Amino acid sequence: EIVLTQSPGTLSLSPGERATLSCRASQSFSSNYLAWYQQKPGQAPRLLIYGASSRATGIPDRFSGSGSGTDFTLTISRLEPEDFAVYYCQQYGTLLTFGGGTKVEIK
Amino acid sequence: EAQLVESGGGLVQPGGSLRVSCAASGFTFSSYWMSWVRQAPGKGLEWVANIKPDGSEKYFVDSVKGRFTISRDNAKNSLCLQMNSLRVEDTAVYYCARGVKYGSGSYNVFQDFWGQGTLVTVSS
Repeated sequence: EIVLTQSPGTLSLSPGERATLSCRASQSFSSNYLAWYQQKPGQAPRLLIYGASSRATGIPDRFSGSGSGTDFTLTISRLEPEDFAVYYCQQYGTLLTFGGGTKVEIK
Repeated sequence: EAQLVESGGGLVQPGGSLRVSCAASGFTFSSYWMSWVRQAPGKGLEWVANIKPDGSEKYFVDSVKGRFTISRDNAKNSLCLQMNSLRVEDTAVYYCARGVKYGSGSYNVFQDFWGQGTLVTVSS
């Protein structure tokens, strides 16, 4: 099983700032199989990124994904008020697993 | 517009059974992989099961193998998760999600659209 470790656990930032979220895997896998989701309180997760860097339909271009091997990053270039949420990475290369999440909160 | 609506959650005793369902609309259900993903209260996401569009392939996380079954009825645009021998640790919101096949491997499916979930509580 591939274990995904997300850091930091909580990121405190102000609107307009840049957010950089990390997802590190316990073993290397193809970047084709890495996704990012956003979840707000009381809501279902929403797909942001798949294939490590492809934005899902309707996702603003301030969201970008990068990385390969064991290290992946989600970047939000300028935080909007609606971006404060919990973010999860997921690998679907083998036996789907999720990271523990990073909470992006308002500073 | 795509829609997934889960139902059937509730309170069940340890060792009991429960069946949760998902009604799909707004897309060609029979063309998509479907998934169940759960989230324990205050915790992160855990994938539970996938089923191929025609129902011929099914995959489960190890912790539910032998206890949970996944099925679909493409004529009725519905997905089900039958949960037997339930444990306290199965307590979670269960989300139905549409899957997108992205690769040739059995597990190469990510979830591009999710329902709002149904809460299953296992407690005595």
